[in-house]
Amino acid sequence: QQQVKQSPQSLIVQKGGISIINCAYENTAFDYFPWYQQFPGKGPALLIAIRPDVSEKKEGRFTISFNKSAKQFSLHIMDSQPGDSATYFCAASRGSRLTFGEGTQLTVNP
Amino acid sequence: GAGVSQSPSNKVTEKGKDVELRCDPISGHTALYWYRQRLGQGLEFLIYFQGNSAPDKSGLPSDRFSAERTGESVSTLTIQRTQQEDSAVYLCASSRYRAGELFFGEGSRLTVL
Repeated sequence: QQQVKQSPQSLIVQKGGISIINCAYENTAFDYFPWYQQFPGKGPALLIAIRPDVSEKKEGRFTISFNKSAKQFSLHIMDSQPGDSATYFCAASRGSRLTFGEGTQLTVNP
Repeated sequence: GAGVSQSPSNKVTEKGKDVELRCDPISGHTALYWYRQRLGQGLEFLIYFQGNSAPDKSGLPSDRFSAERTGESVSTLTIQRTQQEDSAVYLCASSRYRAGELFFGEGSRLTVL
């Protein structure tokens, strides 16, 4: 049973555009929602995270929007740059277990 | 060390052989995780260690997979009688505080011929 569903699977954006990646979860016990960024040949790295008592969190060009009632959260990358091209994973945790989405491969064209 | 260190970075083996993968976590991190990532796919949880507590082995796909960790130090993931479907990148991560803030190594790429 997949507990975190992520879309789209791949995304192509022009430089300067907005990249939007969506995730939906099933388990209402999840209490922490991080996003990870992974470049080819590297391990994932924590990008930004949010708790369910907050509806939005912004760090630089990256923003998480969280909708608790809909059990959905999304990552927005403003002014997307070619260096943002990577695979992005949403995740949800409860206690010690972190469950990942399937990933979104983002390509930002120059 | 500055980050999570994994070895070997690449391993090619023949079907039926045993392999051992090593992870050296960030000093002071009590939690250690192993994940498997097949080509183009997400991260599949394998096992979790927290200090001296009994590990959470619920993600291990079969009894051919096992892992050990002594205290808060190095961990080894062992795959016995490897199969072609075991080919993947095996990622290790450590954490100080909670599951959401994981620090990953660069992974060990396993290819089973």
